Amino acid sequence: KAGVTQTPRYLIKTRGQQVTLSCSPISGHRSVSWYQQTPGQGLQFLFEYFSETQRNKGNFPGRFSGRQFSNSRSEMNVSTLELGDSALYLCASSLVGSGLTDTQYFGPGTRLTVL
Amino acid sequence: GESVGLHLPTLSVQEGDNSIINCAYSNSASDYFIWYKQESGKGPQFIIDIRSNMDKRQGQRVTVLLNKTVKHLSLQIAATQPGDSAVYFCAENNYGQNFVFGPGTRLSVLP
Repeated sequence: KAGVTQTPRYLIKTRGQQVTLSCSPISGHRSVSWYQQTPGQGLQFLFEYFSETQRNKGNFPGRFSGRQFSNSRSEMNVSTLELGDSALYLCASSLVGSGLTDTQYFGPGTRLTVL
Repeated sequence: GESVGLHLPTLSVQEGDNSIINCAYSNSASDYFIWYKQESGKGPQFIIDIRSNMDKRQGQRVTVLLNKTVKHLSLQIAATQPGDSAVYFCAENNYGQNFVFGPGTRLSVLP
């Protein structure tokens, strides 16, 4: 069974631009969570989607948004990029996600650099 | 590869020795815990999990211990190998909430 895939793996943008990252969960998994990882802040939860609905949201500004499609694939978007948005963005999938003790499996991440 | 954390606590162990990585979690209501391993340039990889109704769980070369009284989790790695060198994260989940990750510990295996 294929793992979680994320595209692109690397991305370089400039301040003020917007970016869209994609995540394909493990087949059969319906929950997709997004995390931001930086050396200073560690792994921070962005949001979780289940059945095309955002179910949980972390403490990030509205510039960070996401969506999930009917095939469980998910995208996250960051608008008006800032230098501080440079990070590794990780996607994790699980069968049903929060609410049950359900293991999350991570993708390799997208390394975003904002210049 | 990318640096996961520039100032993480580091544990250095000799190859073949046992490693113990500790984690203090924050929420006494958390009922599910996972240990992840993250190698440079990769996403976190699931190692082992434990539910709050257990205090010990064993896997292949790894054991997780849970002490709910002091909100402490530990990961024991037996016969540590060079391939075990990575950053290790604990994650806690409270029913109905998202996972919260610890800051991580860098394990360095010395030859």
